[in-house]
Amino acid sequence: AQKITQTQPGMFVQEKEAVTLDCTYDTSDPSYGLFWYKQPSSGEMIFLIYQGSYDQQNATEGRYSLNFQKARKSANLVISASQLGDSAMYFCAMSSPGAGSYQLTFGKGTKLSVIP
Amino acid sequence: KAGVTQTPRYLIKTRGQQVTLSCSPISGHRSVSWYQQTPGQGLQFLFEYFSETQRNKGNFPGRFSGRQFSNSRSEMNVSTLELGDSALYLCASSLQGAHQETQYFGPGTRLLVL
Repeated sequence: AQKITQTQPGMFVQEKEAVTLDCTYDTSDPSYGLFWYKQPSSGEMIFLIYQGSYDQQNATEGRYSLNFQKARKSANLVISASQLGDSAMYFCAMSSPGAGSYQLTFGKGTKLSVIP
Repeated sequence: KAGVTQTPRYLIKTRGQQVTLSCSPISGHRSVSWYQQTPGQGLQFLFEYFSETQRNKGNFPGRFSGRQFSNSRSEMNVSTLELGDSALYLCASSLQGAHQETQYFGPGTRLLVL
């Protein structure tokens, strides 16, 4: 069975500083995808970044980068130069072709608060 | 391209009633998935449709059902509503639902059951 663990229920970061949100995963499938989504208080899930299990390089999208450590089964999200608009819930998710394919398994999320 | 749209955005129902939620995917996307989000259980997968066929279903009672139309639009229905069905219902679409594809979410429908 797939499992996503996010151990930080809440985090604070100073504006313009970098922050790392932790995510560990568990799956027996050799092929899988890892995703990070941002959910502001409005409720919409906004896609941030994707990492495939066979990707050789860590994914980057603007101020977002994914620190992918396959052996440790971790996929931490790094946000550089935090902005006030980054305050939101952040979810790590995984998808694999094994049991339960075509679905995302989500972690419990981390609430990030950016302090001016 | 227009994003995923969901209607209605907010809904208040009473116990025992039924409700139908609608989702229009991004143009060209044929896979539509539904998720339920509650403070206690987090985000849980309900079901996924592709080409009008349900390919996968989460661990929810039969009161939760869905369908997909030939234009890929999808609806989900909850019959005999219970207080615990109060949640944010999110719809997501992707091209074909493959595990490497990104699922793009709509704004959600907030359902309150009284």
